[in-house]
Amino acid sequence: DIVMTQSPESLAVSLGERATINCKSSQSLLFDSNDENYLAWYQQKPGHPPKLLIYWASTRESGVPDRFSGSGSGTDFTLTISSLQAEDVAVYYCQQYNSPPYTFGQGTKLEIK
Amino acid sequence: EVQLVESGGGLVQPGGSLRLSCAASGFTFSDHWMHWVRQVPGKGLLWVSRIHRDGSNTASADSVRGRFTISRDNAQNTLYLEMKNLRVEDTAVYFCAREGVRARERFFDLWGRGTLVTVSS
Repeated sequence: DIVMTQSPESLAVSLGERATINCKSSQSLLFDSNDENYLAWYQQKPGHPPKLLIYWASTRESGVPDRFSGSGSGTDFTLTISSLQAEDVAVYYCQQYNSPPYTFGQGTKLEIK
Repeated sequence: EVQLVESGGGLVQPGGSLRLSCAASGFTFSDHWMHWVRQVPGKGLLWVSRIHRDGSNTASADSVRGRFTISRDNAQNTLYLEMKNLRVEDTAVYFCAREGVRARERFFDLWGRGTLVTVSS
């Protein structure tokens, strides 16, 4: 199974500042079949289901604000929120979706400093 | 409205059984692979099971294989999870989730709100 490891486990950032969350996979998520990284990012607010933010490591889902961006390739990935807003308080998960089991990172809790 | 609505959760004793349902609406259900994901309250996400568009191919996590069965009824736009021999550690919120519609789009672009399963004596 591919193990997904996120860091940090929690993060406190001031409003308007940049937030960066890292995700590392135990195997490369870049596959020759389509030269894409099978890596997604989700946001989960308390009492709500996860919401897709980013797929193919860097493609923003429709309707997601452009302050959210994804980067990285192979085994190392990053989710960046360029200017933190109050509504961004949530837990963020990365996930590999190449093949089952579709493993998630343990989550990063993002709070306001 | 495009949505997934789970039902069927509740309190069950260890060793018992439960069937979860997920009703899909607002999109062509049969176009999508579907999944179940669970989450112990306050903890992370764990993928449980997936099923092909026509139900012909399924896969499950090691922790539930042989006890949980995923199925679907495309005529009724409904996804199911049959859970048997339940254990205390199966206690969680169970979400159904939809895969993207294009080939290889195996990320989950739509989630239901979840249904809570509690396994306790």
